[in-house]
Amino acid sequence: DTGVSQDPRHKITKRGQNVTFRCDPISEHNRLYWYRQTLGQGPEFLTYFQNEAQLEKSRLLSDRFSAERPKGSFSTLEIQRTEQGDSAMYLCASSRDRSKQETQYFGPGTRLLVL
Amino acid sequence: ILNVEQSPQSLHVQEGDSTNFTCSFPSSNFYALHWYRWETAKSPEALFVMTLNGDEKKKGRISATLNTKEGYSYLYIKGSQPEDSATYLCAFQGQNFVFGPGTRLSVLP
Repeated sequence: DTGVSQDPRHKITKRGQNVTFRCDPISEHNRLYWYRQTLGQGPEFLTYFQNEAQLEKSRLLSDRFSAERPKGSFSTLEIQRTEQGDSAMYLCASSRDRSKQETQYFGPGTRLLVL
Repeated sequence: ILNVEQSPQSLHVQEGDSTNFTCSFPSSNFYALHWYRWETAKSPEALFVMTLNGDEKKKGRISATLNTKEGYSYLYIKGSQPEDSATYLCAFQGQNFVFGPGTRLSVLP
């Protein structure tokens, strides 16, 4: 399968713990996006990479959130000192070129539940 | 803050019915409008991307139209089938991607 993959698919953690999610984009895609989706809402933009450079970060991304894409391939999203409000679906998407009408290809998401 | 809205929020139709839903978006700084289908426990799947006012796209029984001057897009499903049951998301592509909240479609056999 050459689509976008995410790991884990589900994560349950206690408040205050740190969690890390991984996204493996489609191999030839240089752009990678993280989104958060909560019930009844569409995906909300969190951050975006072009190759290894993190080019944009949403104001939604508090200091407890950090994302990396060290070699311009896979990416990790870490949440430190999780709070119950962090419970959501975290989606990753990748695309080839933003200068054109880019289509983003999504992974299946990581569903986080903070108890 | 860009606002992308979709209506209705949810709907239930009988198998064989045709249906349509709406996405409204800002008409300024527009680059493209995307439609995605998101089935439960799967990845959102790209359906269409449209850029020009008056664009119409079709894929089987599903079609979409775009009006950039007034800031809306319609998605049509002809002869709905149970496998069409999903959440349909639209996304406005300007400087960033902004998604609507989705329309949740249930097709009853």
